[in-house]
Amino acid sequence: AQSVSQHNHHVILSEAASLELGCNYSYGGTVNLFWYVQYPGQHLQLLLKYFSGDPLVKGIKGFEAEFIKSKFSFNLRKPSVQWSDTAEYFCAVTMWGFQKLVFGTGTRLLVSP
Amino acid sequence: GAVVSQHPSRVICKSGTSVKIECRSLDFQATTMFWYRQFPKQSLMLMATSNEGSKATYEQGVEKDKFLINHASLTLSTLTVTSAHPEDSSFYICSARVVSLRDTEAFFGQGTRLTVV
Repeated sequence: AQSVSQHNHHVILSEAASLELGCNYSYGGTVNLFWYVQYPGQHLQLLLKYFSGDPLVKGIKGFEAEFIKSKFSFNLRKPSVQWSDTAEYFCAVTMWGFQKLVFGTGTRLLVSP
Repeated sequence: GAVVSQHPSRVICKSGTSVKIECRSLDFQATTMFWYRQFPKQSLMLMATSNEGSKATYEQGVEKDKFLINHASLTLSTLTVTSAHPEDSSFYICSARVVSLRDTEAFFGQGTRLTVV
């Protein structure tokens, strides 16, 4: 079965530190890739997505992610985090032609001021 | 982006009773909606895919008779947890996808925290 792995369950950073959250998926075919964020008390929001083209995708709030097909990875990055980035981050994958999203287990990010 | 509204946001019910959760797409028509369940410190697990005007497609291990899904219109899907038990306590989230030829994106409701006592 298809699966999505997020290796970092909890990450604690100081403001201005750089962030990289790992995401790997298991599926050999064409995929669409997503990163969602869930701020405390709020619903899931889309940060960025990859469908095709440039494997380096830029999203909202200064986030970006790079799709490396050979590594089945779609890591999320931000050069300098802010306290307001404290949230839970979910990587998700949909296999091309299918509608359902398969989510990773999430990474809880805490940014200390 | 598109808005998906989920109601109620929190509900507490007695064991053995049924609870209905509504999911509405406010500014678009959703032929397909998805219902997820999120356990504490775990990921969102897809429960079922709800198709307007037809039966829902349930994921393996999800009890169809316990989690009743109705998608009667293009803007409303409901999830009814029947004969709820404490182990059904969880966070339930609905999602609707907007699909076009070039793009597709999922929008999520704010979730429903169900507590069965």
